[in-house]
Amino acid sequence: QVQLVQSGAEVKKPGASVKVSCKASGYTFTSNYIHWVRQAPGQGLEWMGVVSPSDGSTTYAQKFQGRVTLTRDTSTSTVYMEMSSLRSEDTAVFYCARVIIRTGGRGFDHWGQGTLVTVSS
Amino acid sequence: DIQMTQSPSSLSASVGDRVTITCRASQSISSYLNWYQEKPGKAPKLLIYAASNLQSGVPSRFSGRGSGTDFSLTISSLQPEDFATYYCQQSYSSPWTFGPGTKVEIK
Repeated sequence: QVQLVQSGAEVKKPGASVKVSCKASGYTFTSNYIHWVRQAPGQGLEWMGVVSPSDGSTTYAQKFQGRVTLTRDTSTSTVYMEMSSLRSEDTAVFYCARVIIRTGGRGFDHWGQGTLVTVSS
Repeated sequence: DIQMTQSPSSLSASVGDRVTITCRASQSISSYLNWYQEKPGKAPKLLIYAASNLQSGVPSRFSGRGSGTDFSLTISSLQPEDFATYYCQQSYSSPWTFGPGTKVEIK
């Protein structure tokens, strides 16, 4: 079955960087784009960006451009989200999600379990 | 960027009630509209894609309709496990923006 398994919770100091992994299994890794979504405590869902596992191409939300880097490792079927210059307001749960494309639409049919990143001095 | 709005932001309903949530896009998104259900401490779950298509395994009491800029999600008979927060999302163009969510609570 399709699974996206994310790395564990992180605690970081302001100004530091964090790298979260998302390991895919149960399907052909290069067949589906992987997106990242952020959810601050008590808040809604915020789209961050997308990476193509097949060629590594990326698109970022303007808000995260220059501070977030999405990469992939096809040898381990893993996608990574790295965020730099962390600040307290970056405290959030980060999700990876797989895109499924169907006739007339596309959505996130499988999600990772989420990774809590806490930024605190 | 395409802005998504939802109404209401929250609602109280009883088991068995028919519930409708609306979602509006700031510009036409054709039928590139998804609905997700989120429960505390869990990842969101895809309910509806392409505005009206039920994701595999989702109960038939959930339905979606709309196209262009106006969409709706209906739960025909609310069940105890349906109390959650619901988000719409457009996948028409990047960034794939979400609505602010609608929290469905027990009356």
